[in-house]
Amino acid sequence: NAGVTQTPKFQVLKTGQSMTLQCAQDMNHNSMYWYRQDPGMGLRLIYYSASEGTTDKGEVPNGYNVSRLNKREFSLRLESAAPSQTSVYFCASSERRGGDTQYFGPGTRLTVL
Amino acid sequence: GEDVEQSLFLSVREGDSSVINCTYTDSSSTYLYWYKQEPGAGLQLLTYIFSNMDMKQDQRLTVLLNKKDKHLSLRIADTQTGDSAIYFCAERMDSSYKLIFGSGTRLLVRP
Repeated sequence: NAGVTQTPKFQVLKTGQSMTLQCAQDMNHNSMYWYRQDPGMGLRLIYYSASEGTTDKGEVPNGYNVSRLNKREFSLRLESAAPSQTSVYFCASSERRGGDTQYFGPGTRLTVL
Repeated sequence: GEDVEQSLFLSVREGDSSVINCTYTDSSSTYLYWYKQEPGAGLQLLTYIFSNMDMKQDQRLTVLLNKKDKHLSLRIADTQTGDSAIYFCAERMDSSYKLIFGSGTRLLVRP
């Protein structure tokens, strides 16, 4: 099992550009999550998907959209990137509704100039 | 409110024990986790404890939970240089999907 995979690993954008971060898990988990990690801070939840077909806002959803494409895949889209979105983005998945243990991908390091 | 706090930095000598502390504010937390993050990598789950437990031991790791004081600690016995990393504690309420993370404790193990 690859676990949770994320693409790309690194990305540099100019202000106003758009991009989609991809995440996939092969553990048959119901729930998936997108977090951002900023220096000196813990992870903050952007959006989550409790099960296929549902998505909900987390702590810091502004400027982002998500799509739960199927049970395996959960993508995060930045429609018009801003320098404040420079961060490391982590995707995670967990086994059941309500979460149990969350397993994390390796992260995408995004820089917005 | 929800808040998880950790000290920022801990330095220990190789072979000593490390104790990383965490406090949380929400008494309805039902699960508490410790994650390890190595440079440039994602978060790796180390261990977790249910709120009805006081202690959990897993090889070199010991987790202690004091519910009255809302205090969680992670003890690493015989700390090795490979243990150098950032350690995050996190809490979750049973009714929520969210994990609330602390800001992380950077552990440096000196040879």
